[in-house]
Amino acid sequence: QSVLTQPPSVSGAPGQRVTISCTGTSSNIGAGYDVHWYQQLPGTAPKLLIYDNSNRPSGVPDRFSGSKSGTSASLAITGLQAEDEADYYCQSYDSSLSGSVFGGGTKLTVL
Amino acid sequence: EVHLVESGGGLVQPGGSLRLSCAASGFPFSNYDMHWVRQATGKGLEWVSTIGITGDTYYPGSVKGRFTISRENAKNSLYLQMNSLRAGDTAVYYCVRDGGSGYDSWGQGTLVTVSS
Repeated sequence: QSVLTQPPSVSGAPGQRVTISCTGTSSNIGAGYDVHWYQQLPGTAPKLLIYDNSNRPSGVPDRFSGSKSGTSASLAITGLQAEDEADYYCQSYDSSLSGSVFGGGTKLTVL
Repeated sequence: EVHLVESGGGLVQPGGSLRLSCAASGFPFSNYDMHWVRQATGKGLEWVSTIGITGDTYYPGSVKGRFTISRENAKNSLYLQMNSLRAGDTAVYYCVRDGGSGYDSWGQGTLVTVSS
């Protein structure tokens, strides 16, 4: 059971928009800690996709965006492409655990 | 270019020990916090340990007292000493750089299998 809760899977057709939620508690996201998102393509290591809730590292397309409100965060992907098919993970810090916590991951399928 | 290369994984019996290494290059290693993150086959990511630039260390309860993270800045190397290994420790272990805002660089991972 992960500390941060994500839907196990989401899907969308090419060109569509999908969102992935990440729900935490008052000891992590709700406490004001930043949320980061990672994309893991099949058979590869995770890659930082969004940092500090809504910022994109250099090279990440602006089709990817992040937001945070209260005890939750969201990753939105617009203009879905086949290459976006991957697992997506949210991450934050938890003060009660004194360490980093991840969501369980969401598998995105492009139909 | 940042490069992180893990080594030292393999098959070990329950109760055994293993030491993972991570060779870092392409950045001033001593200036960055570093982490180990693991992923069991078909499962999600799990934070395993952190070492700060001053040598302070942090662990989740699942490995505290069994795993020890360390660094050797002169050799641009990160280590993870794993003792009293259990079947539940079976996973790919990633060496990860903390960019200050998220984990911005990951190695390719090394597989640890705990089985008799």
